[in-house]
Amino acid sequence: AQSVTQPDARVTVSEGASLQLRCKYSYSGTPYLFWYVQYPRQGLQLLLKYYSGDPVVQGVNGFEAEFSKSNSSFHLRKASVHWSDSAVYFCVLSSNTNKVVFGTGTRLQVLP
Amino acid sequence: EAAVTQSPRNKVTVTGGNVTLSCRQTNSHNYMYWYRQDTGHGLRLIHYSYGAGNLQIGDVPDGYKATRTTQEDFFLLLELASPSQTSLYFCASREGSDYTFGSGTRLLVI
Repeated sequence: AQSVTQPDARVTVSEGASLQLRCKYSYSGTPYLFWYVQYPRQGLQLLLKYYSGDPVVQGVNGFEAEFSKSNSSFHLRKASVHWSDSAVYFCVLSSNTNKVVFGTGTRLQVLP
Repeated sequence: EAAVTQSPRNKVTVTGGNVTLSCRQTNSHNYMYWYRQDTGHGLRLIHYSYGAGNLQIGDVPDGYKATRTTQEDFFLLLELASPSQTSLYFCASREGSDYTFGSGTRLLVI
């Protein structure tokens, strides 16, 4: 069975600080992994995705994520957050079937 | 630009009421999905479709019907709405591994 765990329901950081949002997945095959962001009253927008190759993938707005097969993780990072990064972030696993599995989301609050 | 449009944006209905949520895509994607989003659960798949006239059952289908009338249009039907169906509903279309999400419909069942 496939699953995605985002252990932190809420994360609060100060503007300008670095950020890591954690994601652990469970899947026996080769995963396709995504990070989506949901701003208030909006749908989900793709930040970045990983299929294969370089385990560090770059996304929009300075976000990056690192895939680790040994740790079954796909953590999202940003070197310096801005108040506008406040949103809910979802880690998503696709197993090349017609469905995906969403994590429960991490709500990020950036303090000015 | 590829888009998924949901309507209505907000809906209030009474228990036992009949509700239809609409979703239209301009992406020409084959796959369309209905999800519900609840705190602590992320997004959960209700129904999906891979083309006009096709319907597949998702992970939380109880109490919901869906119909894909055209390539563009996918509807979610709640024929006897219950308070447990109060949620934020998202529609999405997919081509390959790329999903496009709508902005959501917030449903309140009182």
